[in-house]
Amino acid sequence: QKEVEQDPGPLSVPEGAIVSLNCTYSNSAFQYFMWYRQYSRKGPELLMYTYSSGNKEDGRFTAQVDKSSKYISLFIRDSQPSDSATYLCAMSLASGGSYIPTFGRGTSLIVHP
Amino acid sequence: ETGVTQSPTHLIKTRGQQVTLRCSSQSGHNTVSWYQQALGQGPQFIFQYYREEENGRGNFPPRFSGLQFPNYSSELNVNALELDDSALYLCASSKTEVSGKTQYFGPGTRLLVL
Repeated sequence: QKEVEQDPGPLSVPEGAIVSLNCTYSNSAFQYFMWYRQYSRKGPELLMYTYSSGNKEDGRFTAQVDKSSKYISLFIRDSQPSDSATYLCAMSLASGGSYIPTFGRGTSLIVHP
Repeated sequence: ETGVTQSPTHLIKTRGQQVTLRCSSQSGHNTVSWYQQALGQGPQFIFQYYREEENGRGNFPPRFSGLQFPNYSSELNVNALELDDSALYLCASSKTEVSGKTQYFGPGTRLLVL
């Protein structure tokens, strides 16, 4: 079993839909949870990160962490064709000043007009 | 754009050869991490350099080695290339004294080993 599991999709939705992307993990020591967006032939771009459990909102994006269930989610409201990309979850331990994230394999999202 | 640059953008090598990939970190960042991303997979951590010293290493063999220079740019060297080394190689820089949880990725170098 991988430390971080993520459904590769593709997930295809119409423009304007609410998108839910999820990851599960096995290491209960993870403390930082990140979501990255990766467009084709580009490097990942950090969207959001949260510490421990709870919700965090940034514009159309909401990240949720449920440590009791070892489950994290990213919600995208009013999805746009420009949101079409691969979304990677990542998580890490809290270890001094540096951190080494473990990534999921990414979910491919397609938002069609 | 993040300000992290990588060269070359694409590279084709044959099995057994050696390759050097380069990364310039974002201004003000003193930490560089390297990742390997195989097709359809998430990035896998190779190693990290902080102020010119290796500061952590993932599950990669010794033929993967690196350097960080005084200007915090970095190199990834891979010896004795294997077919499975074909992947996108990403570097990411971060400013550890502010937040070790945020890092900025470059566009990557796509390596094909034949």
